Amino acid sequence: AQSVTQPDIHITVSEGASLELRCNYSYGATPYLFWYVQSPGQGLQLLLKYFSGDTLVQGIKGFEAEFKRSQSSFNLRKPSVHWSDAAEYFCAVGNNNAGNMLTFGGGTRLMVKP
Amino acid sequence: NAGVTQTPKFRVLKTGQSMTLLCAQDMNHEYMYWYRQDPGMGLRLIHYSVGEGTTAKGEVPDGYNVSRLKKQNFLLGLESAAPSQTSVYFCASTPFKTGPRYGYTFGSGTRLTVV
Repeated sequence: AQSVTQPDIHITVSEGASLELRCNYSYGATPYLFWYVQSPGQGLQLLLKYFSGDTLVQGIKGFEAEFKRSQSSFNLRKPSVHWSDAAEYFCAVGNNNAGNMLTFGGGTRLMVKP
Repeated sequence: NAGVTQTPKFRVLKTGQSMTLLCAQDMNHEYMYWYRQDPGMGLRLIHYSVGEGTTAKGEVPDGYNVSRLKKQNFLLGLESAAPSQTSVYFCASTPFKTGPRYGYTFGSGTRLTVV
């Protein structure tokens, strides 16, 4: 069975500082990996995804993530955080199962200090 | 272009009452899902459907039923609500032909409180 761990429940960074959110997954083959963002009271919006090719993927809003097979990780990064990035971030893993189901991590809540 | 629409957005139920949450998508997606979101637990799959007339259980199906009578609609029912079902419920959809690489399109959620 596949699983996703986001070790950090809360992270606080200063505006303009760099950001890295951690995601570790468990899956035997090459996974399909996703990062979603949820603003307060909103649904989840896709930031970026990886399923093959270049292990560094670019997403919307200036985010990027790197797939590291040896570490079973897919960490999300941003060089300079903006106050509007305050939200909850979810990492998810999928595979070629029946139903295309995704398994989500517990989420990381990001707070941005002015 | 509405995408995935959930109704209602908020609801308060008394223990033992029943209700139905509606999810509608206009993208002609084959697959639809119901998740619940609880603090620190991420999203957990309740039920899903791979096509009209088909449903299957997810990780946490107890206390819920679903129906997919039309391709565009996926209904989630609570027959006898319990306080443990207080949560935010999300519906999502994805097309069949792209496999898992497409990811999900989510609705904006339904916040349910059972008192």
